[in-house]
Amino acid sequence: AQKVTQAQTEISVVEKEDVTLDCVYETRDTTYYLFWYKQPPSGELVFLIRRNSFDEQNEISGRYSWNFQKSTSSFNFTITASQVVDSAVYFCALRGGNAGNMLTFGGGTRLMVKP
Amino acid sequence: NAGVTQTPKFQVLKTGQSMTLQCAQDMNHEYMSWYRQDPGMGLRLIHYSVGAGITDQGEVPNGYNVSRSTTEDFPLRLLSAAPSQTSVYFCASSKDREGTEAFFGQGTRLTVV
Repeated sequence: AQKVTQAQTEISVVEKEDVTLDCVYETRDTTYYLFWYKQPPSGELVFLIRRNSFDEQNEISGRYSWNFQKSTSSFNFTITASQVVDSAVYFCALRGGNAGNMLTFGGGTRLMVKP
Repeated sequence: NAGVTQTPKFQVLKTGQSMTLQCAQDMNHEYMSWYRQDPGMGLRLIHYSVGAGITDQGEVPNGYNVSRSTTEDFPLRLLSAAPSQTSVYFCASSKDREGTEAFFGQGTRLTVV
């Protein structure tokens, strides 16, 4: 069985602070895929990033960066210089490599960025 | 491309009523799935399909039915609505099993009274 844990249910920061959202996962698959999605107050789910289990390179996209560490089964997400528009619920998700595997989501972290 | 289209956006049902949530995608994706989102629990998989004519149960399938007669459509049926089915429902599609990202519909907010 797969499991994704996002221990931080809510985080509140002041604009321009850096913030890291934690994600820990469990899977028995040797091939798997990790994702982050953003859910703004409007409710839709916006894809942010995908990582496969063979690629442990960290990735940076503008103010966003992701740290994937297989040794600790973690896939953390950092927002640098946060902005009010970053306020949203962020979901980490896992998909196993076998046919028919769908996404398993963590419980989400609500990020509130105050001006 | 419209992507993934869900209808309706909002619905109020009385306990015991049945209804169908519609989901259509125009990206020729093989994989489609339904999730429900409840506070603090993330999204949980209800049913999924890996192609036309093939469906399977997810984590929370009780009280729901699905069918996949075409690649494009994947309706979710509530057989006899219960207050516990009050939730936000999301339909998703993805290209294949190789880890491509899932595209989500806008969601349906369902209230059962």
